[in-house]
Amino acid sequence: GENVEQHPSTLSVQEGDSAVIKCTYSDSASNYFPWYKQELGKRPQLIIDIRSNVGEKKDQRIAVTLNKTAKHFSLHITETQPEDSAVYFCAASKGTNAGKSTFGDGTTLTVKP
Amino acid sequence: GAVVSQHPSRVICKSGTSVKIECRSLDFQATTMFWYRQFPKQSLMLMATSNEGSKATYEQGVEKDKFLINHASLTLSTLTVTSAHPEDSSFYICSANTDRRVNGYTFGSGTRLTVV
Repeated sequence: GENVEQHPSTLSVQEGDSAVIKCTYSDSASNYFPWYKQELGKRPQLIIDIRSNVGEKKDQRIAVTLNKTAKHFSLHITETQPEDSAVYFCAASKGTNAGKSTFGDGTTLTVKP
Repeated sequence: GAVVSQHPSRVICKSGTSVKIECRSLDFQATTMFWYRQFPKQSLMLMATSNEGSKATYEQGVEKDKFLINHASLTLSTLTVTSAHPEDSSFYICSANTDRRVNGYTFGSGTRLTVV
């Protein structure tokens, strides 16, 4: 089955700095890679996603890059703010409407004011 | 749009009792829903895929008889934790696919189960 590894497990940055979280996956058939933000005690919220036919996607301060050959994808958050503090999960799936997502172990991001 | 409602948000039950958790898609039909389990400070682990009108597909290591899933309609899936034990205490979250064209999984708000 699919195996998703996520690094780092914790990340602390100063407000205004950039944060980068990286994930690797094992199944070359995976073609959909969402990123979720989860605040304490709340549900995961989709913040950005990318499909395997795209190398990069950006939405304001958040961007995701994908390297299919190397089977890794990364989340980039620029100009971080304290409200960005949360746990971030990457995931991978095969992209059918009945597909299953395999999640990374999560990264706890702390943005210090 | 694309709202998934999950109830209850919190439940405390005694060992040996059963607990039912509901997952509803409020404004769309979900032929497939997914049930995840999340331990504190850990990732989401897929437990089973709930298919409307048919039996659920369980992940390896998940006890079918302990975690009963029923997906009787296109908007409702239920997870029943039978004969609950303290080690079943966890955060249970459902998700549903919102669009047949893209994988926009929407998560329910989660259920914090505590078995005492």
